Amino acid sequence: GNSVTQMEGPVTLSEEAFLTINCTYTATGYPSLFWYVQYPGEGLQLLLKATKADDKGSNKGFEATYRKETTSFHLEKGSVQVSDSAVYFCALSDRIKAAGNKLTFGGGTRVLVKP
Amino acid sequence: GAGVSQSPSNKVTEKGKDVELRCDPISGHTALYWYRQSLGQGLEFLIYFQGNSAPDKSGLPSDRFSAERTGGSVSTLTIQRTQQEDSAVYLCASSRNRESTYEQYFGPGTRLTVT
Repeated sequence: GNSVTQMEGPVTLSEEAFLTINCTYTATGYPSLFWYVQYPGEGLQLLLKATKADDKGSNKGFEATYRKETTSFHLEKGSVQVSDSAVYFCALSDRIKAAGNKLTFGGGTRVLVKP
Repeated sequence: GAGVSQSPSNKVTEKGKDVELRCDPISGHTALYWYRQSLGQGLEFLIYFQGNSAPDKSGLPSDRFSAERTGGSVSTLTIQRTQQEDSAVYLCASSRNRESTYEQYFGPGTRLTVT
């Protein structure tokens, strides 16, 4: 079956620091990969995605590259802000149409950025 | 436009009682998903509807859980004879269709507490 493993948090860092959250996956097929973010008191929202190998998803200064050879999709941001404090979820979905785009999530990583 | 809405936002119930959770997807979205977010299990898929097709119930944890989607729009998740382990945040998401290129938009969730 499919599974996603991401580094456990919490991750605490100072404003303008570099952030990396590791994510690796196991999939029976050729998945699409996602990062979702959950800000305090808000619902889950898509941060970025990549649908094929070597694709780079980017949004709000965050980036992640689909690495099929290492089955990874690590999230990075060069200079974090206090407003980036949130829980980040790595997820995948099977691209086979019949699978219906069900998402398999990692455990989530809480990030706290201090001023 | 309006996003995915869920009601109630919070529900406290006694063990053994039945509960119904409601989801209103984004208008025009044909795919609707239910997920559960709990401390012990993280974020997990429960059930998925696509148009008028039979739902994919592969994530439902027991036969106490059921869901329906009326008229291809509103969905209700029903939990019968609730147990304490059912305590979680139940999330609904919708997307334009079931393909992985389409983003899933999440509602704010219903926090269920079984006492």
